[in-house]
Amino acid sequence: EAQVTQNPRYLITVTGKKLTVTCSQNMNHEYMSWYRQDPGLGLRQIYYSMNVEVTDKGDVPEGYKVSRKEKRNFPLILESPSPNQTSLYFCASSNERSYEQYFGPGTRLTVT
Amino acid sequence: DAKTTQPNSMESNEEEPVHLPCNHSTISGTDYIHWYRQLPSQGPEYVIHGLTSNVNNRMASLAIAEDRKSSTLILHRATLRDAAVYYCILLREGAQKLVFGQGTRLTINP
Repeated sequence: EAQVTQNPRYLITVTGKKLTVTCSQNMNHEYMSWYRQDPGLGLRQIYYSMNVEVTDKGDVPEGYKVSRKEKRNFPLILESPSPNQTSLYFCASSNERSYEQYFGPGTRLTVT
Repeated sequence: DAKTTQPNSMESNEEEPVHLPCNHSTISGTDYIHWYRQLPSQGPEYVIHGLTSNVNNRMASLAIAEDRKSSTLILHRATLRDAAVYYCILLREGAQKLVFGQGTRLTINP
């Protein structure tokens, strides 16, 4: 089944404790991205990647890092999480020739 | 990014058609009109997209005004499972970033 998976689905952590949210897709998609969703602000793009070893900032990249060492994986790294990064995070992927983006199920992160 | 305007909420009854409007008066010639929806507790899901002509797929139909300044997503026979937030998004040809607005929250009454 074609899908985007994210882990963990739920995470509660404390300020400053480094964490990684993994994202993996099994569709051989070139394009992957991370979004965060906050009430009243909609979904905003954090980072995106056009292909392996190619990443770029989205609209709200501060406090986040990403890497794209393999085509299928695009982890989101929070080196020193802060409470304002409490949010619902979505990973998405698409084929460069297709306009349809596939989203993962989301990761709900709480930073206390 | 060109802006879209949608009603905050709409309500309909099960098994009736639903017409979800979207205004995009500043659309440019290379902007595609996309619709995504987000069911409760799930990630967004692609519904349909088009450029100039009306489009149909298994999920919905997209009617695009002749001047392209507005469009309507049509769910032909709503079910309870169609209750979701529907987003109308303009995406320039070759671009990949989706800019989500507030969307329309659709409620389906049994």
